[in-house]
Amino acid sequence: EAQVTQNPRYLITVTGKKLTVTCSQNMNHEYMSWYRQDPGLGLRQIYYSMNVEVTDKGDVPEGYKVSRKEKRNFPLILESPSPNQTSLYFCASSNSGTSPYNEQFFGPGTRLTVL
Amino acid sequence: GENVGLHLPTLSVQEGDNSIINCAYSNSASDYFIWYKQESGKGPQFIIDIRSNMDKRQGQRVTVLLNKTVKHLSLQIAATQPGDSAVYFCAENPQWTGRRALTFGSGTRLQVQP
Repeated sequence: EAQVTQNPRYLITVTGKKLTVTCSQNMNHEYMSWYRQDPGLGLRQIYYSMNVEVTDKGDVPEGYKVSRKEKRNFPLILESPSPNQTSLYFCASSNSGTSPYNEQFFGPGTRLTVL
Repeated sequence: GENVGLHLPTLSVQEGDNSIINCAYSNSASDYFIWYKQESGKGPQFIIDIRSNMDKRQGQRVTVLLNKTVKHLSLQIAATQPGDSAVYFCAENPQWTGRRALTFGSGTRLQVQP
């Protein structure tokens, strides 16, 4: 089954404790992206990757890091989480980095709470 | 549930009726628009898309209308079913810059009454 998976689905942590949220897709997609979803603000892009070893900032990259060492994986790293990073996070992937006219497939989401 | 947006506008319809969900977008340079459906506990799911060179596009039970003059997008769902209950987001892709960052609206909650 074609899908985007994220782990963990739920995470409660404390301020300053480094964490990684994994994202993996099995569709051989070139493009991957991370979004956060907050009440009243919709989904906002954090980082994106056009292909392996090619990453760039989205609209709200502060406090986050990503890497793209393999095509299928795009982990989101919070080096020192803070309470304002409490949110619902979605990973998405899409075919072809050269055209915008392609559907983005979203993962199931990761609910992160930073105390 | 996982749906974010405690104060979303809500559209309540009877099963079998047609639903119309509206969306106003802000960027006149946007050239690609998508409707997503988000059920509780799940990520957004693609419904239908439309490019800016079109005014209307139809799918299975869904139709998207685009009015570029007033920057308005609508999603019509025919013969609404209980399984259509979800939050619906419109998303726009600003003029292609290589980022493919979708700008999402805040969403509309659709409630289907049996």
